[in-house]
Amino acid sequence: DQQVKQNSPSLSVQEGRISILNCDYTNSMFDYFLWYKKYPAEGPTFLISISSIKDKNEDGRFTVFLNKSAKHLSLHIVPSQPGDSAVYFCAASATAGNMLTFGGGTRLMVKP
Amino acid sequence: SAVISQKPSRDICQRGTSLTIQCQVDSQVTMMFWYRQQPGQSLTLIATANQGSEATYESGFVIDKFPISRPNLTFSTLTVSNMSPEDSSIYLCSVGDRDVSSGANVLTFGAGSRLTVL
Repeated sequence: DQQVKQNSPSLSVQEGRISILNCDYTNSMFDYFLWYKKYPAEGPTFLISISSIKDKNEDGRFTVFLNKSAKHLSLHIVPSQPGDSAVYFCAASATAGNMLTFGGGTRLMVKP
Repeated sequence: SAVISQKPSRDICQRGTSLTIQCQVDSQVTMMFWYRQQPGQSLTLIATANQGSEATYESGFVIDKFPISRPNLTFSTLTVSNMSPEDSSIYLCSVGDRDVSSGANVLTFGAGSRLTVL
């Protein structure tokens, strides 16, 4: 039973445009949500997180939106750059100390 | 955030053999976590390595198959025993820290060890 799902395995975007990566979850106990980026031959690196008391968190070109009623979050990258091409994982946890449950990942390709 | 070194970075192994992956952290941490990423799939937690006690394994993972050592607060090993082609995966070591902006438990990962079992 996948508690965290990323339904789009891949996404292709033109450089300078917005990239929107989506993630859905089923466990209503999740309170913390995170996004990771993974390049080939490297471990995942943390990008941005949000707690359930907020609906938006922004860090530079990256913004995460949370819709708790829909059990949906998204990561917006504006403007997209070729260096953003990577696999993006969303993850969630029920409390701050709990382990993360990861989605299946979305491969983002930003074309010059 | 912590800096994590893993080795080997990759290996090709024969069926039935065992391989030990090492994870070194540049600071003392209470818990270290071992994840697996099978080809085209998500990251799955194998076990939590606690210093001074036995590792805590997640459902579907057992100590006989994935023995873990944690001799001190900066080092851990994961052994993949009696390997089969189904064990071909990337194995990742990680440690946790608190994200000040959200309070979330943020994991920092090593680069991973890519194992191919023939």
